[in-house]
Amino acid sequence: AQKITQTQPGMFVQEKEAVTLDCTYDTSDPSYGLFWYKQPSSGEMIFLIYQGSYDQQNATEGRYSLNFQKARKSANLVISASQLGDSAMYFCAMREEGFQKLVFGTGTRLLVSP
Amino acid sequence: DTGVSQNPRHKITKRGQNVTFRCDPISEHNRLYWYRQTLGQGPEFLTYFQNEAQLEKSRLLSDRFSAERPKGSFSTLEIQRTEQGDSAMYLCASSFGSGAPFYTGELFFGEGSRLTVL
Repeated sequence: AQKITQTQPGMFVQEKEAVTLDCTYDTSDPSYGLFWYKQPSSGEMIFLIYQGSYDQQNATEGRYSLNFQKARKSANLVISASQLGDSAMYFCAMREEGFQKLVFGTGTRLLVSP
Repeated sequence: DTGVSQNPRHKITKRGQNVTFRCDPISEHNRLYWYRQTLGQGPEFLTYFQNEAQLEKSRLLSDRFSAERPKGSFSTLEIQRTEQGDSAMYLCASSFGSGAPFYTGELFFGEGSRLTVL
């Protein structure tokens, strides 16, 4: 069964510093996709970055990069040069091939301080 | 605003009443999803439509829950005989799928409909 684990309930970072949010996953399917979403206080889930299980390189999107370690089944999100607007909940999610269901972790609350 | 729209944003009801939520997806999106999110948890998948066909349904969707997407555009999620355990944020999302077996694209979420059952 699919499972996403986010072990950091909360993280603090100072503005302009980098921060890593941890995510481990479990699946028996060799083909899957990993996603990170941001949820600000407004409630809307905002897509950040995607990594396919067969992608050879780590995904990057602007200040976001995904540190994908397949053997360890981890997909950590790295946010470089944190901004105050990055303060939000961050969710890691996974989808197996052939299914549309996204399985989410419990999230990490990130607080960026000036 | 051309994003995913959900109504109502907030609903307070008494136990045993029926409630209905509406979702208007991004117009060119053929796929629509419903998720439920309780406090301190990540969203949990409820159901998925491709056009008007309901193709995936979670075991979380008990007999009291029904979702429709009659013309492949907007969708409704109805909860009958609400229980206090139904209190949650109900999130709708949409995407455009090409029919490929593994769609790698992103979901666009609405701001959710918060249900409180007293």
